[in-house]
Amino acid sequence: EVQLLESGGGSEHPGGSLRLSCAASGLTFNNYAMSWVRQVPGKGLEWVSSINSGGSSTYYADSVKGRFTISRDNSRNTLYLQMNSLRAEDTALYYCAKVDKLTPLGKLDSWGQGTLVTVSS
Amino acid sequence: DIQMTQSPSSLSASVGDRVTITCQASQDIRNYLNWYQQKPGKAPKLLIYGAFNLETGVPSRFSGSGSGTDFTFTIISLQPEDIATYYCQQYDNFPQTFGQGTKLEIK
Repeated sequence: EVQLLESGGGSEHPGGSLRLSCAASGLTFNNYAMSWVRQVPGKGLEWVSSINSGGSSTYYADSVKGRFTISRDNSRNTLYLQMNSLRAEDTALYYCAKVDKLTPLGKLDSWGQGTLVTVSS
Repeated sequence: DIQMTQSPSSLSASVGDRVTITCQASQDIRNYLNWYQQKPGKAPKLLIYGAFNLETGVPSRFSGSGSGTDFTFTIISLQPEDIATYYCQQYDNFPQTFGQGTKLEIK
């Protein structure tokens, strides 16, 4: 069974930084692309970023481009999201999700439980 | 960016009813559409991929159809455990985009 466990969320001031992690188990991690999706509590889902299986190709929503960096360590079965220059509108529950193939455009067939990021002064 | 317009935004139905949700893409996405179910306090769960393919383990009362710009998600006979918010998502191109969600309640 695939398990995805996010960590690293918390409270931060505007302009600050956080690094989210997503530890994966129950799968051959380097066979799958991965994504981050966020959700403001009570609101809808917003795709944030994706990375291919090898880590060589990355994709970002315009709302985070230039501020967030997605990466992965396949030796540690871990996905990361480095979040810099945080804004109040980045406040959300951040989910990591597994894509069903090597490249990032596909079905998100496994999700973690999310880690909450709160940006407030 | 491809806009996904989902309707209705909320829906109340009785157990046993047939429920239909629609999702319209702002441009042709072929059949690159997924449907997710999200129960309160839980992560989304994939139900339908590629517009009409049922994910493994998902009950057959759920189905999807459509291609191009117009898609439909159907629950043939609503069950109490189907209370959730449902989202469509296109994966034809980046940025991947979700519909705004349909909150389904029991009447």
